[in-house]
Amino acid sequence: EAQVTQNPRYLITVTGKKLTVTCSQNMNHEYMSWYRQDPGLGLRQIYYSMNVEVTDKGDVPEGYKVSRKEKRNFPLILESPSPNQTSLYFCASSLGQGANQPQHFGDGTRLSIL
Amino acid sequence: AQSVTQLDSQVPVFEEAPVELRCNYSSSVSVYLFWYVQYPNQGLQLLLKYLSGSTLVKGINGFEAEFNKSQTSFHLRKPSVHISDTAEYFCAVSFLYNDYKLSFGAGTTVTVRA
Repeated sequence: EAQVTQNPRYLITVTGKKLTVTCSQNMNHEYMSWYRQDPGLGLRQIYYSMNVEVTDKGDVPEGYKVSRKEKRNFPLILESPSPNQTSLYFCASSLGQGANQPQHFGDGTRLSIL
Repeated sequence: AQSVTQLDSQVPVFEEAPVELRCNYSSSVSVYLFWYVQYPNQGLQLLLKYLSGSTLVKGINGFEAEFNKSQTSFHLRKPSVHISDTAEYFCAVSFLYNDYKLSFGAGTTVTVRA
């Protein structure tokens, strides 16, 4: 089954404790992206990757890091999490490059930073 | 600057009644348009998309949307809703000068009551 898999689905942690949210897709998609969803703000892009070893900042990259060492994986790293990063996070992927490609989303990761 | 506005944050509707969700965008360049649905505790799922051609687009689950270039709108409709249509709906716009950025509206929560 074609899917985007995120782990963990839920995480409660404390300020300053490094964490990684993994994202993996099995569709051989070139493009991957991370979003955060906050009430009343919709989804905002954090980082995206057009292919292996190619990443770029989205609208809200501060406090986050990503890497793309393999085509299928695109982990999101919070080096020193803070309470304002409490949010619902989504990973997405799409085939090829271009504005006309719909994105496939994971089921989300709910992070609570205390 | 480009933006996406969903005009209603909450839409309560009775089962078997019609529903319309409004979406407007601002852009001086060509766009691709998408509607996504998010069921509780799930990721986003593509409902439909407008890339070119006919301005009336049909999607899954009986939804359709109409692209109006002069009014820069892309409203979503369904003639008769079911309880299972209770979800959050997001309008998203991709701007042709920035292939990798998908801008989302704030979302509309549809609650279908018996």
